This record gives sequence, C-alpha cells and structure tokens, in this order.
Amino acid sequence: DAGVTQSPTHLIKTRGQQVTLRCSPKSGHDTVSWYQQALGQGPQFIFQYYEEEERQRGNFPDRFSGHQFPNYSSELNVNALLLGDSALYLCASSFRQGGMNTEAFFGQGTRLTVV
Amino acid sequence: AQSVTQLGSHVSVSEGALVLLRCNYSSSVPPYLFWYVQYPNQGLQLLLKYTSAATLVKGINGFEAEFKKSETSFHLTKPSAHMSDAAEYFCAVSSNYGQNFVFGPGTRLSVLP
Repeated sequence: DAGVTQSPTHLIKTRGQQVTLRCSPKSGHDTVSWYQQALGQGPQFIFQYYEEEERQRGNFPDRFSGHQFPNYSSELNVNALLLGDSALYLCASSFRQGGMNTEAFFGQGTRLTVV
Repeated sequence: AQSVTQLGSHVSVSEGALVLLRCNYSSSVPPYLFWYVQYPNQGLQLLLKYTSAATLVKGINGFEAEFKKSETSFHLTKPSAHMSDAAEYFCAVSSNYGQNFVFGPGTRLSVLP
C-alpha cells in the first residue's frame, strides 16, 4: 500500500501564476482533505472532498479551489498566487462510514514557494 | 468554534528524561483529540487519538496522553526521551472523527545527549 501520495514534492512559482497540486488517497479511502502549513505554524484546513463535491471549507479565499475525480484522487488549484501562499500543502485521506470518517492519513506534502 | 493552544513552542529535554508537551483545547461539542508528529520535510504521523473510550490513551513509540475534561487538556507524555523523538508535535481537535482538524501551533521537541 503506497499510502497517500502527493505530487510534485516541490515547486517554485511566480506571483500571479496559477498552480495545481495533486493527491492520490490511500487505497480504500474516498475522502480527501487539503491543509496549508505555513512555515513554523500548524496546518490549516482548506477544504474536504467527498463524492466529487466540496463538503466543507475552511477560511480560505476563492482563489483556492479543488476537484475530486471518480477514482477519488484530488487536485488543489490556487490562482493569482501571492507570496503568502508559500507553504507546505498537505493532503489527508480517510474513508467515510455511517456519516463518520475513519482515521486520516497524511501525505508527505508539496512544498510551494512563490517568488 | 474550536481552538487548540500548545504551551511552549520549543521544549528541550535530556535523553532519558521525561517528555511533557502541553495541549489545551476549546470545543463546544465533545471533542476528538489527536497528537501528530512531523519529522523534517515530512508529512504528519498519528501518535495517538482520544475518541471518548478511555481517558488515558497509549500511542506509538511509548507516548501516551490523558484527557482531562475539567482542565480541557490533553497533554502528551513519554517517560524516557530518545534522540529519535526530536521532531515537531501537533495537537489537534475535531468534532467529527477524521473530519477537518483544527491544529495547534506545534511544539518543537529537542533531545539533548
């Protein structure tokens, strides 16, 4: 079992550009959540996808959007990048059962640097 | 709204000494509480979780935590620190197990030889 895999591991973008980050959930998981972890801080919840729909959203602007595919993999898109978007972006997957989710497993993250 | 505070952004202990990392939470509903560890340039690994079964929770690598409702605390302890315990530790709360977590700011643990 490969666990949660994220790609790319690192990337550098210029202010104003757009970026897409990808996440493949752990085998058997159907729910994907995204978190932003700025340097020296705890992760902050961006949003969660289940059944190809955004189910919950944290306090992030509309520049942050996502998608979930039929195979449960997910993308995080950020438009009009700001320097403050530089962070480690973490993906977590879990399985929804009876309205609750099983333990969440985290990927290694994608380190985004905006210059 | 839920929130988590972790007292001490950096804790240093000697190898073999007791590890105590503090976590206090606020939640309007019975919480699910978690401790995660993060090694440099890696994702988060679950150490242990409280889900209202037992107040004293044992996790991996010899860590344990005690849920104290009256103190709204969930402190993490380990009797004897090992060099490999040096990492960043995050306490997190969730109102729905496995759903969106609210993380604390983290505590960096250093273990001195």
